[in-house]
Amino acid sequence: ETGVTQSPTHLIKTRGQQVTLRCSSQSGHNTVSWYQQALGQGPQFIFQYYREEENGRGNFPPRFSGLQFPNYSSELNVNALELDDSALYLCASSFLARGNTEAFFGQGTRLTVV
Amino acid sequence: AQSVTQLDSHVSVSEGTPVLLRCNYSSSYSPSLFWYVQHPNKGLQLLLKYTSAATLVKGINGFEAEFKKSETSFHLTKPSAHMSDAAEYFCVLPAGGTSYGKLTFGQGTILTVHP
Repeated sequence: ETGVTQSPTHLIKTRGQQVTLRCSSQSGHNTVSWYQQALGQGPQFIFQYYREEENGRGNFPPRFSGLQFPNYSSELNVNALELDDSALYLCASSFLARGNTEAFFGQGTRLTVV
Repeated sequence: AQSVTQLDSHVSVSEGTPVLLRCNYSSSYSPSLFWYVQHPNKGLQLLLKYTSAATLVKGINGFEAEFKKSETSFHLTKPSAHMSDAAEYFCVLPAGGTSYGKLTFGQGTILTVHP
């Protein structure tokens, strides 16, 4: 157990809808990153939040957005869902400090868009 | 831009035989490198990490990896495979600077272990 929990574990949405995925970081961690893992692929970096501010973004459109709360929990929001958004979404928490890059992953949310 | 390439999408071994999972990297600076493992329906788990100290790195469950700058490689090995090693393995390049925690993953290698 990493101490990082994600909810829900599975979700089915219809194309065009909006979805919110949630992540509770490991205690003491101030940074959360979100990744998309399509079937048969490695995880792709979506964005990272540090102290409630976006701290880096991958090659994802603006309809992917996020929030980090004062208790360091986080949300990933996806608007106008497309079929290609079907994937496993992973949350990773870490403590941002020089020399420490270890991230602890949750078990993920499996999103299916139909 | 930095990247990692895992040279095999699938590796199949018999229990008790050696495991070799290959990874090459591309980076404009001397990198850190990780290997993560993903068991079905479980989160990613860090196996081992290289952070510019010893080039031979030992990890959990008997795995080790050797950083070879001249070959830009970071191959993962284990002397004797166990059935519980069956999983997907990812070679990972972490970004430095202000992007701690931003990880670039390889495509993954699925390891199958036969009895």
